[in-house]
Amino acid sequence: EAGVTQFPSHSVIEKGQTVTLRCDPISGHDNLYWYRRVMGKEIKFLLHFVKESKQDESGMPNNRFLAERTGGTYSTLKVQPAELEDSGVYFCASSPNPGGTSTDTQYFGPGTRLTVL
Amino acid sequence: LAKTTQPISMDSYEGQEVNITCSHNNIATNDYITWYQQFPSQGPRFIIQGYKTKVTNEVASLFIPADRKSSTLSLPRVSLSDTAVYYCLVGVFNQAGTALIFGKGTTLSVSS
Repeated sequence: EAGVTQFPSHSVIEKGQTVTLRCDPISGHDNLYWYRRVMGKEIKFLLHFVKESKQDESGMPNNRFLAERTGGTYSTLKVQPAELEDSGVYFCASSPNPGGTSTDTQYFGPGTRLTVL
Repeated sequence: LAKTTQPISMDSYEGQEVNITCSHNNIATNDYITWYQQFPSQGPRFIIQGYKTKVTNEVASLFIPADRKSSTLSLPRVSLSDTAVYYCLVGVFNQAGTALIFGKGTTLSVSS
């Protein structure tokens, strides 16, 4: 079974440019999460999709960040315009929709390292 | 989610048993205890999860005392490849949509 994949693995852009990160979750997983780790800080939650709907976007830092998940499959996270403080590693995770007493295990992708110069 | 406290770093030699203890004094009744492992340049990976007493899988064991205010991740006979950051998370994981809250984790360094 293929795991969570992310593209690109590393992106270097200049301040003011736009970058789009992509995440392909594990097939069949309804839940998709975005996290990021800014240099020297903890991994922070950004938002959560259930299929194509945004369930929780309380962690999105500001309106320069736009996440979409058209059709409930892959997701994109666009940063426009990028600022220096957006540099970090952006992780995507997915999980199936558990039923009953099953616990929700999130499967993480390798992350996209974003460097804003 | 309950706040957790764990060592910043630990060093070990190959073949030793490593125990990483996590404190979670304000754990709630419905909370589970989950450990994730993260290798450099990779995303976190689920290791083990438990609610009380002891849980064991092919990778690790998790010991949880009766008061559940702490837990200990035990890695038997570590190897160089176990060098990673280990995160202890506490929360309600029996439903989808729980945002994981990561602390700084414990950086384990295994040397030969």
